[in-house]
Amino acid sequence: KAGVTQTPRYLIKTRGQQVTLSCSPISGHRSVSWYQQTPGQGLQFLFEYFSETQRNKGNFPGRFSGRQFSNSRSEMNVSTLELGDSALYLCASSLAFLTGAYEQYFGPGTRLTVT
Amino acid sequence: GENVEQHPSTLSVQEGDSAVIKCTYSDSASNYFPWYKQELGKRPQLIIDIRSNVGEKKDQRIAVTLNKTAKHFSLHITETQPEDSAVYFCAARTGNQFYFGTGTSLTVIP
Repeated sequence: KAGVTQTPRYLIKTRGQQVTLSCSPISGHRSVSWYQQTPGQGLQFLFEYFSETQRNKGNFPGRFSGRQFSNSRSEMNVSTLELGDSALYLCASSLAFLTGAYEQYFGPGTRLTVT
Repeated sequence: GENVEQHPSTLSVQEGDSAVIKCTYSDSASNYFPWYKQELGKRPQLIIDIRSNVGEKKDQRIAVTLNKTAKHFSLHITETQPEDSAVYFCAARTGNQFYFGTGTSLTVIP
């Protein structure tokens, strides 16, 4: 099975711009979670989607949003970028928590640099 | 919400020695505890996990122990090798959400 994929892998944006990141989960996985990884804060949970519905949301401002499509692919959007948004954005997929299959598998991440 | 603390933040061991990384959690409802290994520039890889109804799990040189009463769990790596050098993250799952520790940078000295 192909692993979790993310596009693009690298992105450079300017403050005030917006960005959209994409995540394709492992085939058959219905849950997609997004994380922000920075050296100082570690892995911070952004949100989780299951069957096109956001089930959980972390403590991030409303500039961070996401969605999930019927094929389980997910996108995350950050509007009005700030310098502090520079980070590695990781998505992770799992079969579905409801089935008791909790294992999450990560994508390679998108490295976002805001200048 | 859940709070996961991880210690130590850095760890150096001689090749062949054992390494132990410890995590504590605060929410007694947490029911699943995975460990991830992240090499430089790569994605976190799930290396072992344990559920709340199990006290210990082993996979070759890696083991995880869970003490639900004390709310802590530990990763044990025996016979360490240079390729074990990486950052290790623990996590706890509660309410369909994962909470991560801040990571331990493990260096295995040949």
